[in-house]
Amino acid sequence: DVKVTQSSRYLVKRTGEKVFLECVQDMDHENMFWYRQDPGLGLRLIYFSYDVKMKEKGDIPEGYSVSREKKERFSLILESASTNQTSMYLCASSPGGTGGYLNTEAFFGQGTRLTVV
Amino acid sequence: AQKVTQAQTEISVVEKEDVTLDCVYETRDTTYYLFWYKQPPSGELVFLIRRNSFDEQNEISGRYSWNFQKSTSSFNFTITASQVVDSAVYFCALSEAQRVMGNNDMRFGAGTRLTVKP
Repeated sequence: DVKVTQSSRYLVKRTGEKVFLECVQDMDHENMFWYRQDPGLGLRLIYFSYDVKMKEKGDIPEGYSVSREKKERFSLILESASTNQTSMYLCASSPGGTGGYLNTEAFFGQGTRLTVV
Repeated sequence: AQKVTQAQTEISVVEKEDVTLDCVYETRDTTYYLFWYKQPPSGELVFLIRRNSFDEQNEISGRYSWNFQKSTSSFNFTITASQVVDSAVYFCALSEAQRVMGNNDMRFGAGTRLTVKP
């Protein structure tokens, strides 16, 4: 079974702190994603990565950065946490295609509920 | 740009009723993929189905069925004889075909919260 593991289930941080959310997958997937989930807004894509050291901005990248130094690990960084970044953060991974239209489903971690006070 | 709309924010039904969750999408690609996910109270998203844009056949899996219509850009999900365990938030998602220099990203709708009462 594919396993996507997020380092924390719940996190409380202070405004202005630098926050790292870690995500590890164990299925050698090329693609990894970070979403945030807010009531009434669904899942919104923050960043995604399709290879080591490669990243692309999603819909709401402001205030966030990411790091992918190893294939299995994708980190989301809040450079200076603010209260409007209080949310549920979901990491996901999916296999890359093989030269065509092989978009597959994404596998999700259990989520990290971040509260910034 | 790709977009997914789930107009129903919340639906409440009584057990054994049938319920349909609507999903409308926008894309400029001719090749794309549509998905449904379930998010139970535990929080982890569970994959339900994937459909590619070339296959408009409806699909049935037990009490679940999906109706894909390209003419109306819709991919609706029906639960027959709903049960309390079906209570969850359901998300529809769209992924466009893989790009040459990058890879696919997946866009989600806002979700529909389904409550099934005993």
